[in-house]
Amino acid sequence: GQQLNQSPQSMFIQEGEDVSMNCTSSSIFNTWLWYKQDPGEGPVLLIALYKAGELTSNGRLTAQFGITRKDSFLNISASIPSDVGIYFCAGRYSSASKIIFGSGTRLSIRP
Amino acid sequence: DTAVSQTPKYLVTQMGNDKSIKCEQNLGHDTMYWYKQDSKKFLKIMFSYNNKELIINETVPNRFSPKSPDKAHLNLHINSLELGDSAVYFCASSQGGTSGAITDTQYFGPGTRLTVL
Repeated sequence: GQQLNQSPQSMFIQEGEDVSMNCTSSSIFNTWLWYKQDPGEGPVLLIALYKAGELTSNGRLTAQFGITRKDSFLNISASIPSDVGIYFCAGRYSSASKIIFGSGTRLSIRP
Repeated sequence: DTAVSQTPKYLVTQMGNDKSIKCEQNLGHDTMYWYKQDSKKFLKIMFSYNNKELIINETVPNRFSPKSPDKAHLNLHINSLELGDSAVYFCASSQGGTSGAITDTQYFGPGTRLTVL
């Protein structure tokens, strides 16, 4: 079946630093999604990408849909304490198919 | 004005018991989902319902039976609970159904932490 490899598994960075994480798939996707999960809460959608090569921003967050359609990355600029949480990539290979989630990147920030 | 709500938030029970988790969404969405998140935070879909009809069933044991009385509700009943059922269960909803609009995105509930002793 389809698998999503997300890296890194965890990150421990200084406040103010930029963050980068990525996701690769064994299959081509036509949609890439990035979610954030805070402790004790459900995942919340941050950015959705629908076209190969697409670059989309949401405040300090920027995500790109890889040209090969098998990867995506998420960048966070000038991290702040509230960025702490688990970031999940997710993808789907057709508009009618289920969403498959990556294993998550746990972000921790030193004040 | 919670969009997707689940009850209970926490559920602790003995092995072999039967339990239910309820989910309601007030977003007017057509499609609802149940996900299971294990201790390693891996999130996997279990079921999907569109307008009260089952459209995705991901090889989940028969002990799990979803029920959708109307399109705003999707409940999950679990029979004969096992230790391995301990996890956080998330309900989610989205607009769009089997035709799956390409802009379809899912809204998650706060989760129900199930602990089986």
